[in-house]
Amino acid sequence: QSALTQPASVSGSPGQSITISCTGTSSDVGNYNHVSWYQQHPGKAPKLMIYEVNKRPSGVSDRFSGSKSGNTASLTISGLQAEDEADYYCCSHAGSSAVRVFGGGTELTVL
Amino acid sequence: QITLKESGPTLVKPTQTLTLTCTFSGFSLSTSGVGVGWIRQPPGKALEWLALIYRGAKFYSPSLKTRLTITTDALQSQVVLTMTNMDPVDTATYYCAHDFDWSFGYWGRGTPITVSS
Repeated sequence: QSALTQPASVSGSPGQSITISCTGTSSDVGNYNHVSWYQQHPGKAPKLMIYEVNKRPSGVSDRFSGSKSGNTASLTISGLQAEDEADYYCCSHAGSSAVRVFGGGTELTVL
Repeated sequence: QITLKESGPTLVKPTQTLTLTCTFSGFSLSTSGVGVGWIRQPPGKALEWLALIYRGAKFYSPSLKTRLTITTDALQSQVVLTMTNMDPVDTATYYCAHDFDWSFGYWGRGTPITVSS
């Protein structure tokens, strides 16, 4: 399967909102509500921010939200803070088994 | 408290087989819906999903399935990933992670692997 498509970079000013898209196909994003989002700071392991499209794990700020429309999932971060500057990856269930596929990653810069 | 830790060699030669071990605690692979996955990340590049093991079921990246084997030990406290015929392009940090609800909620710190002669 091919990697999900994400913009290489997005940016925003503190306090603003940004949205990162994650485009797949009808075989992955479009067919399952099994999209998750991960935040990764340099030199660190990824951290789960959103699972099953729009659910937040305990401890994750409610400034992070997820949604999906057709073959595209989105991560929205509201009230941007400097600490949000990181790489973000989407991941989806792909195919009829438990195979997964990640997106190419998006670098978020807080101006 | 769920923890995972990867271990393995830091350097392997081209054509050799890589064996990585994920030692975990705080959960059981006998629990329905709980799995352990392996994900890698080449320097400066994106995450790539490699393999996943659940109670009795194993899944592999279609592009790497001929080179990968994922197993668990008898006590099910470790998950082992082997990757054959290593190449310099396989140089990456390799992570293992706890899988539940179709997401990786807990990750190890990762182990860097360099493939070079």
